[in-house]
Amino acid sequence: QSVLTQPPSVSGAPGQRVTISCTGSSSNIGAGYSVHWYQQLPGTVPKLLIYGDTKRPSGVPDRFSASRSDTSAFLAITGLQTEDEADYYCQSYDTSLSGFYVFGSGTKVTVL
Amino acid sequence: QVQLVQSGTEVKKPGASVRISCKASGYTFTTYTIHWLRQAPGQRVEWMGWIHSGNGETKYSQKYQDRIIITRDTSARTVYVDLNLLRSEDTAIYYCARSISSYFEYWGQGTLVTVSS
Repeated sequence: QSVLTQPPSVSGAPGQRVTISCTGSSSNIGAGYSVHWYQQLPGTVPKLLIYGDTKRPSGVPDRFSASRSDTSAFLAITGLQTEDEADYYCQSYDTSLSGFYVFGSGTKVTVL
Repeated sequence: QVQLVQSGTEVKKPGASVRISCKASGYTFTTYTIHWLRQAPGQRVEWMGWIHSGNGETKYSQKYQDRIIITRDTSARTVYVDLNLLRSEDTAIYYCARSISSYFEYWGQGTLVTVSS
């Protein structure tokens, strides 16, 4: 079972906006722990996309933004581009027995 | 620039052990914590454990704590993970990653471990 639950897939046409949800619980996101997001292009290493809930590392386009509310977090991609087609994972800290650092189940973004 | 370079592909039989290395460069080695994570085919990333490269303190996921040992060699700027009693479900890509706060800022290139009889 996934501690952090994401939709398996989302899709959109180039230029559109898509949103990915990450649903946690009172032992992780709901406890106030930060949420981070990673992008994994096919066959590559996960890359940090968003850290500390909303911050973008240097070099990440401002088309990517994130927010959180209660026990959930959200990643938005605006102005969708073909190179955004990838898997996206949320990650947080958890105080239950699931392990201290937990990842979401992953969402495949498809650009139509 | 920060680099984490991992050792190469491993093929092991069930019941065997594997050691993967992660050589760091481009920063003060003893300042940061290195984590080991893994990703089975088509699956999400899973955290296994960490070591503080300075004082050697370790913390393991409950799932692996009976089978995993993480060590470091400060003179070689290298972190190691040993995973014992391998089974087919351990077939995965294993990553080392440097953390800052609670996220993983830099990742190694990954090491494929295949467990098969």
